[in-house]
Amino acid sequence: AQSVTQPDARVTVSEGASLQLRCKYSYFGTPYLFWYVQYPRQGLQLLLKYYPGDPVVQGVNGFEAEFSKSNSSFHLRKASVHWSDWAVYFCAVRIGFASALTFGSGTKVIPCLP
Amino acid sequence: EAAVTQSPRSKVAVTGGKVTLSCHQTNNHDYMYWYRQDTGHGLRLIHYSYVADSTEKGDIPDGYKASRPSQENFSLILELASLSQTAVYFCASSRDWGDSQNTLYFGAGTRLSVL
Repeated sequence: AQSVTQPDARVTVSEGASLQLRCKYSYFGTPYLFWYVQYPRQGLQLLLKYYPGDPVVQGVNGFEAEFSKSNSSFHLRKASVHWSDWAVYFCAVRIGFASALTFGSGTKVIPCLP
Repeated sequence: EAAVTQSPRSKVAVTGGKVTLSCHQTNNHDYMYWYRQDTGHGLRLIHYSYVADSTEKGDIPDGYKASRPSQENFSLILELASLSQTAVYFCASSRDWGDSQNTLYFGAGTRLSVL
């Protein structure tokens, strides 16, 4: 069965700094990969999605993610973090047409206060 | 206007009591889902439905029932609530399971505390 691992439960970052959130997956088929974001007291919202093709996908609000088959990874990144990016980010994988999404445990992005 | 609406937003229940969580969507989607979220865990699928009057088991269906009386409405039922069912529950909808995009649209969640 497919699985998703987000190794970092929390990431601390300063506003304006770059951000990378890690996601590793396991699968035995063609993966469809997603990043969702959850803002406080809200449901999850789609940030970006990957289908087999260009390994770098662009999302909303300056986010992008890169698929690596050799590393079984789908890391999310942003060049400059804004205060509105403090949220929890979930990586998810779907294998082919016959399965529901499997979510990782999430990574909470919190501000690094001076 | 929110396309997936959950009610209630929060609830406190007693152990052994019956709990019903409701979900209503205006996306005209065929697929609806119930997930639970626990601290330190990702969302886990409880039940889903792809047509009215039919429900399917997800990954963790034990202790839960689901009901889909219409395309727009999908309920999650805990007949005998237990402490271990304290969690945040999310309802979601999607257009088509077979669609490779399978974008899910989530409600804001219901925080359930079982005491």
